[in-house]
Amino acid sequence: EVQLVESGGVVVQPGGSLRLSCAASGFMFDDYTMHWVRQAPGKGLEWVSLISWDGGSTYYADSVKGRFTISRDNSKNSLYLQMNSLRTEDTALYYCAKDLDYGDYGAFDYWGQGTLVTVSS
Amino acid sequence: DIQLTQSPSFLSASVGDRVTITCRASQGISSYLAWYQQKPGKAPKLLIYAASTLQSGVPSRFSGSGSGTEFTLTISSLQPEDFATYYCQQLNSYPRGPNTFGPGTKVDIK
Repeated sequence: EVQLVESGGVVVQPGGSLRLSCAASGFMFDDYTMHWVRQAPGKGLEWVSLISWDGGSTYYADSVKGRFTISRDNSKNSLYLQMNSLRTEDTALYYCAKDLDYGDYGAFDYWGQGTLVTVSS
Repeated sequence: DIQLTQSPSFLSASVGDRVTITCRASQGISSYLAWYQQKPGKAPKLLIYAASTLQSGVPSRFSGSGSGTEFTLTISSLQPEDFATYYCQQLNSYPRGPNTFGPGTKVDIK
């Protein structure tokens, strides 16, 4: 059974830093692209970042580019999101998601339950 | 960047109704579109990928169609467990980003 378990969400002050983790199990982690998606309270879904299976390619939403860094440790089946220079608008539930990796067509076929990041003074 | 719009934003329907949700892209995205269902307090669930391919385990009352800039998600006979918010997502730049989501359509009980 595929499982994704996020952790690391806390209350942090504006300008602060935080690292989120996602522990993966039940599939060959190092075969798949992984994503972070966030959802502000009462709002819709926002794609944040992706990392290729080997960590060689990373992409970011414009809203986090230059502040967030995605990484992975395939030996530990873990995905990370380093978040710096946090802003109040970064307050959200952060999900990690596994890519379907269906040929040319992507989609996110498994999601964790999310970890809540609150940026507030 | 490609923008997605969904219509309607809110939909009130009864059990057994046929429901159609539309997603429009600001430029052509071929069939690089997915649909998700999200219930309150839960993570999103993949329903459809590649615009019309049903994800394994998803009931056949769900179907997707379209290509280019206009797409639809249809629920042929709404069931009580289908009351949720539905999001489309474009993956035109896959395997790169961005992979933006639409604003969502909430399906509520009439």
